[in-house]
Amino acid sequence: AQTVTQSQPEMSVQEAETVTLSCTYDTSESNYYLFWYKQPPSRQMILVIRQEAYKQQNATENRFSVNFQKAAKSFSLKISDSQLGDTAMYFCASMEYGNKLVFGAGTILRVKS
Amino acid sequence: GAVVSQHPSRVICKSGTSVKIECRSLDFQATTMFWYRQFPKKSLMLMATSNEGSKATYEQGVEKDKFLINHASLTLSTLTVTSAHPEDSSFYICSAVDRIDQPQHFGDGTRLSIL
Repeated sequence: AQTVTQSQPEMSVQEAETVTLSCTYDTSESNYYLFWYKQPPSRQMILVIRQEAYKQQNATENRFSVNFQKAAKSFSLKISDSQLGDTAMYFCASMEYGNKLVFGAGTILRVKS
Repeated sequence: GAVVSQHPSRVICKSGTSVKIECRSLDFQATTMFWYRQFPKKSLMLMATSNEGSKATYEQGVEKDKFLINHASLTLSTLTVTSAHPEDSSFYICSAVDRIDQPQHFGDGTRLSIL
């Protein structure tokens, strides 16, 4: 069975600084996908970044990038130049091909001015 | 693209009534839709998976007679909370995909409060 672990319940960062959110996962499949979702106070779920397991290159979306370590089953999210609007709960999730999304417990990120 | 509309966004009703929540994919055909429940500051818990034209698959511990799911078309799925009670109060979110290997697109959620 898939599992996703986020070991940081809460984090804070100063505006313009860089922060890294941790995520580890477990799966027995070789074909799977990993995601980071953002849920701001409005509670809308927003896809931040996606990584296909077969791709070795780390995904990047503007200020957001991941460090995908397949052997270690680690998938951390780095947010550069943090902005106040980045304040949200961040969920790491995995999906085996054709299966359901499994979410981690989430990390509340607060960006301070 | 890939917009999912969920309605209503907020509902307050008396104990014992039934409440229907709609989830629509506006610009794509959703072969599969998912329903989640979320408690404050907690993760999303998958309740059920629905495929167009077939019965929903419920997760362990979710009462299918309590949470009725209908996915009658490729753009609409509904969740009906029957005979709602205060313990059913929660935030319910739907999502949809057109292909199973694509990211899920989420609705904005429904805050359900049962008095």
